[in-house]
Amino acid sequence: DQQVKQNSPSLSVQEGRISILNCDYTNSMFDYFLWYKKYPAEGPTFLISISSIKDKNEDGRFTVFLNKSAKHLSLHIVPSQPGDSAVYFCAASADSGGSNYKLTFGKGTLLTVNP
Amino acid sequence: DTGVSQDPRHKITKRGQNVTFRCDPISEHNRLYWYRQTLGQGPEFLTYFQNEAQLEKSRLLSDRFSAERPKGSFSTLEIQRTEQGDSAMYLCASSLGFGQNEKLFFGSGTQLSVL
Repeated sequence: DQQVKQNSPSLSVQEGRISILNCDYTNSMFDYFLWYKKYPAEGPTFLISISSIKDKNEDGRFTVFLNKSAKHLSLHIVPSQPGDSAVYFCAASADSGGSNYKLTFGKGTLLTVNP
Repeated sequence: DTGVSQDPRHKITKRGQNVTFRCDPISEHNRLYWYRQTLGQGPEFLTYFQNEAQLEKSRLLSDRFSAERPKGSFSTLEIQRTEQGDSAMYLCASSLGFGQNEKLFFGSGTQLSVL
């Protein structure tokens, strides 16, 4: 069973508008959440993360929101740029002795930003 | 280039053959991870090394799989008697850090096709 779910396989937005990517999780032991971006023929690259003690983390154009009661997080990209077109993976980990080595990934959402 | 390096990028083999992949992590990183990604899925954790010690293996890692990191630097992942279900992208990642500051840096992966 999928412990991290990204229910939208794809999303298409216009350049300059907001992109919102959603992620749901089922494991209440998860306490750290990350977003990775992946271009074709490359490995995933870290984008932004959030600890379960926070409900928002912002880094430039990227903001991640966490709703623990709903077991839901979202990634907002504003304004969206064509270079943001990629597959976005939501990932989660449960603190295992203070390490985040064992990430559980969702299936990914393909974001396409149209010029 | 000081990123995570994986070799080969692509491997085509016949069912029943053995294959070996190599990963060179970022030089100062003491942790090394192997993940596997199949089509339409997110990466799945396989195994993890801290220096030369293999600290955890996923149930996904059957007896046909073996990973080593002999001197705490590069790592190899060997698959014996390959099966068609082994076809996937094998991703290596490395990290330096502990707790929620730990961030994984992924290589570009080795795409395995078993015919």
